[in-house]
Amino acid sequence: DAKTTQPTSMDCAEGRAANLPCNHSTISGNEYVYWYRQIHSQGPQYIIHGLKNNETNEMASLIITEDRKSSTLILPHATLRDTAVYYCIVRVEGGGSNYKLTFGKGTLLTVNP
Amino acid sequence: NAGVMQNPRHLVRRRGQEARLRCSPMKGHSHVYWYRQLPEEGLKFMVYLQKENIIDESGMPKERFSAEFPKEGPSILRIQQVVRGDSAAYFCASSRSQGAYGNTIYFGEGSWLTVV
Repeated sequence: DAKTTQPTSMDCAEGRAANLPCNHSTISGNEYVYWYRQIHSQGPQYIIHGLKNNETNEMASLIITEDRKSSTLILPHATLRDTAVYYCIVRVEGGGSNYKLTFGKGTLLTVNP
Repeated sequence: NAGVMQNPRHLVRRRGQEARLRCSPMKGHSHVYWYRQLPEEGLKFMVYLQKENIIDESGMPKERFSAEFPKEGPSILRIQQVVRGDSAAYFCASSRSQGAYGNTIYFGEGSWLTVV
């Protein structure tokens, strides 16, 4: 899996949008960008994933640059419960040996009241 | 649709005892993964199983640890003769397939093992 780079920590005010960046400059054409988060003392939670088009679901939006070398996860209206470590992971979809997720250190997002 | 179910959520074992952690994957999922998270550290892959087969155990410690996913019943992670260094959160995850679609991996809430 390609390596990703994320800021160690970020702060966001409650009710505002949280924009979490991720660099994946060595991403391959068949690698997807996945986002997970881990709230303290809980299991990792799947958020969203995408290949090259922007994606949106009930939790977040994922914006992938045209060259696919970076992406941004957007939480449109952050709440205190969104305080967590957010992981950006690139992974081949389609089997082979890259079936597992490899977690880095992620970004600790702290949402402040 | 129930998520990935792990039990027990918390387990305390004395040094030298055995720990058994169970994981029931999401309905329709036949691929199971185990991860370990040591205190203040990241999530580390341990093992990947399909029904009755261990596909990749490259992250498993060579001794005392074993995993199985029988044809019927939950996946089991077994730790024999536990030591204090085994104290960690153990997360199970599952996916529907390994193929092009449906292989998003979903995690359970974890089993917290404390060795005293």
